Order: sequence, then structure tokens, then C-alpha cells
Amino acid sequence: NAGVTQTPKFQVLKTGQSMTLQCAQDMNHNSMYWYRQDPGMGLRLIYYSASEGTTDKGEVPNGYNVSRLNKREFSLRLESAAPSQTSVYFCASIRNNQETQYFGPGTRLLVL
Amino acid sequence: DAKTTQPPSMDCAEGRAANLPCNHSTISGNEYVYWYRQIHSQGPQYIIHGLKNNETNEMASLIITEDRKSSTLILPHATLRDTAVYYCIVRSLYYGGSQGNLIFGKGTKLSVKP
Repeated sequence: NAGVTQTPKFQVLKTGQSMTLQCAQDMNHNSMYWYRQDPGMGLRLIYYSASEGTTDKGEVPNGYNVSRLNKREFSLRLESAAPSQTSVYFCASIRNNQETQYFGPGTRLLVL
Repeated sequence: DAKTTQPPSMDCAEGRAANLPCNHSTISGNEYVYWYRQIHSQGPQYIIHGLKNNETNEMASLIITEDRKSSTLILPHATLRDTAVYYCIVRSLYYGGSQGNLIFGKGTKLSVKP
């Protein structure tokens, strides 16, 4: 049982490049989340998926798209990366709202 | 915006109890108090949560005031490995929508010193 896994661990992009951050969970959780964390700040919600087949915007969705590929996987895509998207990205999942969120180890992204 | 207020930093001596306060004066009746911690940029780790009764688990104790406007997380015997940023979050447990989402503030940076 690996919990929540994220790939890649680190990535450097040039401005304008695109990439997809991958997240997978093996706990049969219904809801999945993408957060970003900037230095000295708490986590901010980008997008979430309350259940397979649904996605909704969080606090800071601009510049991102998501896909809930199946129950296990929730990907985050940057179509045209900007330096302002330099951050650490965390994926999380939860079975239902009565339980706690489990977080992945994070992806560190640097956009030059 | 986060619905909680926490001191930005605290120090604690190793082996002593660490008491981390949190104000949540606008908490509503269906919202729980959750505590997470984040050790050196790892993913946040769940610690404990409660509604109105005091709670204890293997990691910590949670004391919630009778009016529910504030709470205290207690690490009974802090170790160096407890050095982390601690987040106090109020969260609804209703199904659906964004009510169940976690909203993180800046938390309290706890430094446990030898």
C-alpha cells in the first residue's frame, strides 16, 4: 500500500513549456486534490475532484487544468508554464468527508 | 481565507510538553477542528481532530474550549523530530461541494530545542 504517489519529484521548465504532474492513490479514495505551496506559505487549493468524473476549481486554478483519469489517478497540467508557477505541488486524497486527507510527497517545480 | 489564527512561531525544550494554541472564533456548529503538521517541506501529516470533546491519540491531545472558539494541541513529550509547521484547520464534514476542503493558513513553526 503505497498511499499517494506523485511523479516527478523535481522538474525544471522554461517559460512557455508544458508538462503534466501525475498523482495516483491506491487506497480506493473517492476525492482527490491538487495544492500548491509557495515559500513560507500554507497550501492553496488549485483543483479538486470530489468523485471520479468530476472536477472543480479551488482557490488558485488559473493556468492549470486537471484530469481525473480514473478513480486512482488525478493529473495536473500546465499548458504554458510561467515563473509564477514555481512552487511545490502536493496531491492529496480522501475516502469521504468523514475521514482525513492523505498527502503525497510533493513535486518541486522550477520555471525559469 | 483561513478561519484560524495561530502564532507564527514557538520554541519548546526537548522532553517538555508543547502547547500550540489556535483561535477559531467564527467556527460553526458543523465544523471540526483539525490539526496537521508539515515536516521540512514533506506532505502534510494528519495529527488529530475533534468537534467539542477533548481528544487524544498516540501522537497528541486536542483541548477544545467549551465555546469552541479556541483550541490547543498538546504534544506531551516533544522530541527533535516534532520540529515542524503545525496547521490548525476548521473543516465541515458535510458531503459534497467545497465545504469539506482543507484551507491552510500559515501555521505555527514549532522548533524543539535540545
